[in-house]
Amino acid sequence: DGGITQSPKYLFRKEGQNVTLSCEQNLNHDAMYWYRQDPGQGLRLIYYSQIVNDFQKGDIAEGYSVSREKKESFPLTVTSAQKNPTAFYLCASHEGSNTGELFFGEGSRLTVL
Amino acid sequence: GENVEQHPSTLSVQEGDSAVIKCTYSDSASNYFPWYKQELGKRPQLIIDIRSNVGEKKDQRIAVTLNKTAKHFSLHITETQPEDSAVYFCAASKQGLTGGGNKLTFGTGTQLKVEL
Repeated sequence: DGGITQSPKYLFRKEGQNVTLSCEQNLNHDAMYWYRQDPGQGLRLIYYSQIVNDFQKGDIAEGYSVSREKKESFPLTVTSAQKNPTAFYLCASHEGSNTGELFFGEGSRLTVL
Repeated sequence: GENVEQHPSTLSVQEGDSAVIKCTYSDSASNYFPWYKQELGKRPQLIIDIRSNVGEKKDQRIAVTLNKTAKHFSLHITETQPEDSAVYFCAASKQGLTGGGNKLTFGTGTQLKVEL
């Protein structure tokens, strides 16, 4: 089955630690995205990548970093500089044409203790 | 950048009634407006979308309308059923435009509850 896989589904982290969330897709999509979901705030864009080895900051990039070394993979690192990292993180991909649909993974819930 | 506002934040209707969710956007260059449904504990999924060259689009019980002049668009669900209960997000993007990146700006979501 084609799709987007995020791991881990649940993650606990101590303050001051970096953590990396995995996102893998086998849809052969060019573009990939990371969104953060908080209650009452919708989905906010953290980073996005339209092609391998290139990525751009979204609206709330501070305290996060990404890489795009392979078309299939777009990992997100939540660094200790992120002031309020506890949230639900959603990865998505898009084939890059004008068809529009964004395909989402099942999400990763990060809790900072 | 684009700003999308969505109302109401919560909506409760009786089964069989209609539900309407409204969104406004700020960037007149936005040309693509999808709606996503997120059931509890699941990923958001596209339910319907509309492009700026169309004023209305229907798909069975759901429809979306777009008013480009006023920069607002709405989701209409008729004959609501319990399985329509979910969070609905509107979004806007500039598809195919330089610098658009196909990145979506989402509204804050509407929790729809369909009561029996």
